[in-house]
Amino acid sequence: QQQVKQSPQSLIVQKGGISIINCAYENTAFDYFPWYQQFPGKGPALLIAIRPDVSEKKEGRFTISFNKSAKQFSLHIMDSQPGDSATYFCAAYYYGQNFVFGPGTRLSVLP
Amino acid sequence: DSGVTQTPKHLITATGQRVTLRCSPRSGDLSVYWYQQSLDQGLQFLIQYYNGEERAKGNILERFSAQQFPDLHSELNLSSLELGDSALYFCASSAGGAGPDTQYFGPGTRLTVL
Repeated sequence: QQQVKQSPQSLIVQKGGISIINCAYENTAFDYFPWYQQFPGKGPALLIAIRPDVSEKKEGRFTISFNKSAKQFSLHIMDSQPGDSATYFCAAYYYGQNFVFGPGTRLSVLP
Repeated sequence: DSGVTQTPKHLITATGQRVTLRCSPRSGDLSVYWYQQSLDQGLQFLIQYYNGEERAKGNILERFSAQQFPDLHSELNLSSLELGDSALYFCASSAGGAGPDTQYFGPGTRLTVL
């Protein structure tokens, strides 16, 4: 019930392409869905987040799409760059539960 | 730089030993969170403190304990260490209170148990 599933485990994309990472959850009590970016040797950093009352949120090249009925959300990285190569984690939260993280997706963007 | 500091960066110890990891939150942040990141378990929430009080508990083992001091820094104590405790331990801080305010992660402490 508290699990957040994430796919794919790893992703290779050409420079300029679109990277898509998907997450799914079970517990409908979750009400906040952030994405974190982690570079090797660094801690995760918040990238973008969404609440379930909107279906899409865009910040620069990063977009979250949210499907409340399917209990799924995804991260789209447009015009992917080699500097985007990192591990991406989705997460879900509700007050009292704190954050539950997906297992992560390792993205490699080829030059 | 997130503004969250963690010491030490690396720690190598033996099974059965006890270690203390230290975290200083960003200036003004009242909440501190501890996470364990291992290859097979991903990022696991351990515990949260808010202004000195325990706020939420996650998958924290009984061998582990934490506290937040009056100056808001926090320590995570790991005892009777096992090989499986080898992992990256992250501290994060946020402004605090109720709700999912932005967490800022420190650089982590890499613990190796031999």
